[in-house]
Amino acid sequence: DQQVKQNSPSLSVQEGRISILNCDYTNSMFDYFLWYKKYPAEGPTFLISISSIKDKNEDGRFTVFLNKSAKHLSLHIVPSQPGDSAVYFCAAKTNYGGSQGNLIFGKGTKLSVKP
Amino acid sequence: ETGVTQTPRHLVMGMTNKKSLKCEQHLGHNAMYWYKQSAKKPLELMFVYNFKEQTENNSVPSRFSPECPNSSHLFLHLHTLQPEDSALYLCASSQGLSASYEQYFGPGTRLTVT
Repeated sequence: DQQVKQNSPSLSVQEGRISILNCDYTNSMFDYFLWYKKYPAEGPTFLISISSIKDKNEDGRFTVFLNKSAKHLSLHIVPSQPGDSAVYFCAAKTNYGGSQGNLIFGKGTKLSVKP
Repeated sequence: ETGVTQTPRHLVMGMTNKKSLKCEQHLGHNAMYWYKQSAKKPLELMFVYNFKEQTENNSVPSRFSPECPNSSHLFLHLHTLQPEDSALYLCASSQGLSASYEQYFGPGTRLTVT
């Protein structure tokens, strides 16, 4: 059973508007949540993360929101640019147990930003 | 350029072949990982090494054999693979295993088993 779910396989947004990518998780032991971005023929690159003790983290145009009670996080990109077009992966990990630090990924959401 | 390189970038092999994938990180990290990404599936963790010692084997079949001679190099030896093993194999590294350390990924090896 998937512990990290990205239910939207794709999202299309107009340039300059906001992109909102969503992610749900089931494991309440997750300590950190991360977003990775992947272009074709490249490996995923780290974008932004958030600790479970916070509810918001912002880095330039990228903001991640965490709602622990709903086990939901989202990535906001404002304003969206054509270069943001990529597959975005949500990932989570925990400091507890034998799987310390192991990343659990969602299936990804393909974002297309149209000029 | 993330500081993690993988060779080859593409590999086609028959089911009776033996081949190896190579990963090298130039970041001074202590932990290295192998992931598999199959079509329409999430990235799946295969193996974890920390200071050259294997700390995780995520129920991977024995036809995949990892090797970590030092903290900068990681290999994945392949033998008698099946067509369903065709996938993108990604290597990653991190400073340590703590959840606060982000992982840096290489570009991957696209493997096709015929």
